[in-house]
Amino acid sequence: AQTVTQSQPEMSVQEAETVTLSCTYDTSENNYYLFWYKQPPSRQMILVIRQEAYKQQNATENRFSVNFQKAAKSFSLKISDSQLGDTAMYFCAFPPGGSYIPTFGRGTSLIVHP
Amino acid sequence: DGGITQSPKYLFRKEGQNVTLSCEQNLNHDAMYWYRQDPGQGLRLIYYSQIVNDFQKGDIAEGYSVSREKKESFPLTVTSAQKNPTAFYLCASSSTGGIAYEQYFGPGTRLTVT
Repeated sequence: AQTVTQSQPEMSVQEAETVTLSCTYDTSENNYYLFWYKQPPSRQMILVIRQEAYKQQNATENRFSVNFQKAAKSFSLKISDSQLGDTAMYFCAFPPGGSYIPTFGRGTSLIVHP
Repeated sequence: DGGITQSPKYLFRKEGQNVTLSCEQNLNHDAMYWYRQDPGQGLRLIYYSQIVNDFQKGDIAEGYSVSREKKESFPLTVTSAQKNPTAFYLCASSSTGGIAYEQYFGPGTRLTVT
């Protein structure tokens, strides 16, 4: 059974605008980590941001922030002031059941238009 | 610079031939992983290794084999038993302790079998 769901296969946004990518997951654990990874057209996957479920404060990395709703098991990624270089596939990842091995969502393809 | 290297970037083989994909890391990570990426499928785990001389099957191990003779190296062999080997293959590594188990990825190998 899939434990990480990204319901938006494709999204687009105008440069300088804000976009939010959604991710939901399933777990019975209380403390765990959640990740967003970015895969640009070069296909080099890099970590964008991580969130520890124990922390109530939403993680922020420059223009990237998360909206973490633990009770709803939701972990969305907000990209502010979108740039052309943000065009990429974005994957939500979550290690289920206390494992250190993440399960990846199917990804959201984001296109930033000039 | 620390990182993960995969070679070659593009690989072409005839059907029925075994082929080995290289993955090397100098991050001193204990854990290494192989993923297969197909359009719309996200990343699917083929094999992983937590320590030298030990490895475990992932979700789609059939038709693949691995070895872990050195901490730095985790080669993947795609055998002729793999029914649909054409795909993009990603190698990753991570620590198995400390914070968050963030994965670091190589640049990937695109395998085409005809």
